[in-house]
Amino acid sequence: DAKTTQPNSMESNEEEPVHLPCNHSTISGTDYIHWYRQLPSQGPEYVIHGLTSNVNNRMASLAIAEDRKSSTLILHRATLRDAAVYYCILRNRDDKIIFGKGTRLHILP
Amino acid sequence: DSGVTQTPKHLITATGQRVTLRCSPRSGDLSVYWYQQSLDQGLQFLIQYYNGEERAKGNILERFSAQQFPDLHSELNLSSLELGDSALYFCASSPRGGPNTEAFFGQGTRLTVV
Repeated sequence: DAKTTQPNSMESNEEEPVHLPCNHSTISGTDYIHWYRQLPSQGPEYVIHGLTSNVNNRMASLAIAEDRKSSTLILHRATLRDAAVYYCILRNRDDKIIFGKGTRLHILP
Repeated sequence: DSGVTQTPKHLITATGQRVTLRCSPRSGDLSVYWYQQSLDQGLQFLIQYYNGEERAKGNILERFSAQQFPDLHSELNLSSLELGDSALYFCASSPRGGPNTEAFFGQGTRLTVV
């Protein structure tokens, strides 16, 4: 499985944008980039995914580098409820969803 | 609410015992995934079923088994339980297989082995 690298933790101020980076230098052409998050005491929650183009949804935006070796999850205006562990995951045809250690995001009021 | 239902929410049992965890996927979802989350191991992929058939296998112990029934609900059976099996067990479902689809997770079953 192709690997992803994320910072262990990040901090951001409430009501400011947050950019969560992910490196995936060994990504293959058929790997989709997925982001999930896990709030305290809850199951993981799907955030967004994409293949090559940038993606937007009601929760976040996903910016994918042109060479696809890195991506950034953008939360446009962080709230205290966005404090969670964010996982960047590569998925391919074998259909597994393999979680790494993720980035623990702290939101400062 | 993700639409994925896991029962029971909590389970306390003794070492050596056998338990069954149940997962009801979202209506119409064909794919079911099982995960184990312990404090020191993070989220570990156990196994995936698609429309009743095993599709992918992860770090699932031989003492553990799973199946997906014709109505698409799934059960994870854990036997000869050890203290180290204490963990949160999550189930997820997705509408179809493949990497271009999202998965929806349940709230988990917290298993405590004493």
